[in-house]
Amino acid sequence: AQKVTQAQTEISVVEKEDVTLDCVYETRDTTYYLFWYKQPPSGELVFLIRRNSFDEQNEISGRYSWNFQKSTSSFNFTITASQVVDSAVYFCALSENRSGRRALTFGSGTRLQVQP
Amino acid sequence: EAGVTQSPTHLIKTRGQQATLRCSPISGHTSVYWYQQALGLGLQFLLWYDEGEERNRGNFPPRFSGRQFPNYSSELNVNALELEDSALYLCASSLWGQGNNEQFFGPGTRLTVL
Repeated sequence: AQKVTQAQTEISVVEKEDVTLDCVYETRDTTYYLFWYKQPPSGELVFLIRRNSFDEQNEISGRYSWNFQKSTSSFNFTITASQVVDSAVYFCALSENRSGRRALTFGSGTRLQVQP
Repeated sequence: EAGVTQSPTHLIKTRGQQATLRCSPISGHTSVYWYQQALGLGLQFLLWYDEGEERNRGNFPPRFSGRQFPNYSSELNVNALELEDSALYLCASSLWGQGNNEQFFGPGTRLTVL
């Protein structure tokens, strides 16, 4: 069965600090997809990134970067120079490629608080 | 392009009643997913519909059911409401046929059962 673990329940940083959110996953599939979503206080989940299991290239998008390592089954998310607007709950999620298994399995989320 | 929409925003029911939640996917998306986000339980997959059929179901009792209409919009029905059904219900849509399953979420319906 697939599983996503976000061991950090809550992180608090001061603005401009860098912060890394950890994500560890388990799956038996060789083809799978990893995602990060942001949930601000409004409640709507905002898609941030998707990664395919066969593409281990790290990705940078502005202040956001993602480190995907299949050897350790991890897909960590780093925010550089954090801002107050980054305060939200961040979810890591996994989906498998098999038909009928396309639903997302979410981690429990990490609440990030960025203090001014 | 309009995103996923859900109605109502808030819904208050009493125990034993039935609740109906609605979702309209992004134009062109054929798959609709329902998730429950209850306090302390995280985001849990409920149902997945595509082309009018139920494709997969999470670990929820049969009183959680739904359907998908020809225009791909969807309805989630919760019968015999229990207090623990109080949660934020999120709908998501995606393009079928894409193995990468990129799902886009609506703002949710907050259901409160008294």
